[in-house]
Amino acid sequence: QVQLQQSGPGLVKPSQTLSLTCAISGDSVSSNSATWNWIRQSPSRGLEWLGRAYYRSEWYNDYAVSVKGRITINPDTSKNQFSLQLNSVTPEDTAVYYCSRRRGSGMGMDVWGQGTTVTVSS
Amino acid sequence: DIVVTQSPDSLAVSLGERATINCKSSQSVLHTSNNKNDLAWYQQKPGQPPKLLIYWASTRESGVPDRFSGGGSGTDFTLTISSLQAEDVAVYYCQQCYSSPFTFGQGTKLEIK
Repeated sequence: QVQLQQSGPGLVKPSQTLSLTCAISGDSVSSNSATWNWIRQSPSRGLEWLGRAYYRSEWYNDYAVSVKGRITINPDTSKNQFSLQLNSVTPEDTAVYYCSRRRGSGMGMDVWGQGTTVTVSS
Repeated sequence: DIVVTQSPDSLAVSLGERATINCKSSQSVLHTSNNKNDLAWYQQKPGQPPKLLIYWASTRESGVPDRFSGGGSGTDFTLTISSLQAEDVAVYYCQQCYSSPFTFGQGTKLEIK
């Protein structure tokens, strides 16, 4: 059974960097079929896909334009996890952040982390 | 970006009755390579992450009751609950994964009448 366990701070100051980690059990971050995603949810923006990392003989990333230039999603093969870094945060980045797995092309996001409420405030 | 729009925003249905939620994408999400639509449906209950119900527009995820079904093609899709149960009260979302960014609909809140 695949599980994703999120960790990271719930409070970040404006202009600083939001950092979250998603630990994978039951699958490999280096899977040749899965993609590893970060999604956030807020009352104002709804569910917003932020980006993904995936391995297909080499590592690839794909980011939403709304956060491009501020976001990095990195795999960590030694710990079988992936991380989200979002720079220069503002109160608009306050949201519940989720990591998720899409197990294959067309197959939807079948496993989700528990969610982390992140508040951007001084 | 592909814009995904759901209707209605909220829906109240009697127990045992049929519930239908619509999802429309601004562009086709049909992969011509395999003739499949890259659209998924999720159910979200308060305090929980979304749960995958349907992928490829009409394939039920393992363990999902067969009262849930998905249909449609191209730009117009539906999620149908054939006989509403009390545990189906939730917010339902569709998501296209045809092209990045993988956009979600705004959600449909389903309640008991």
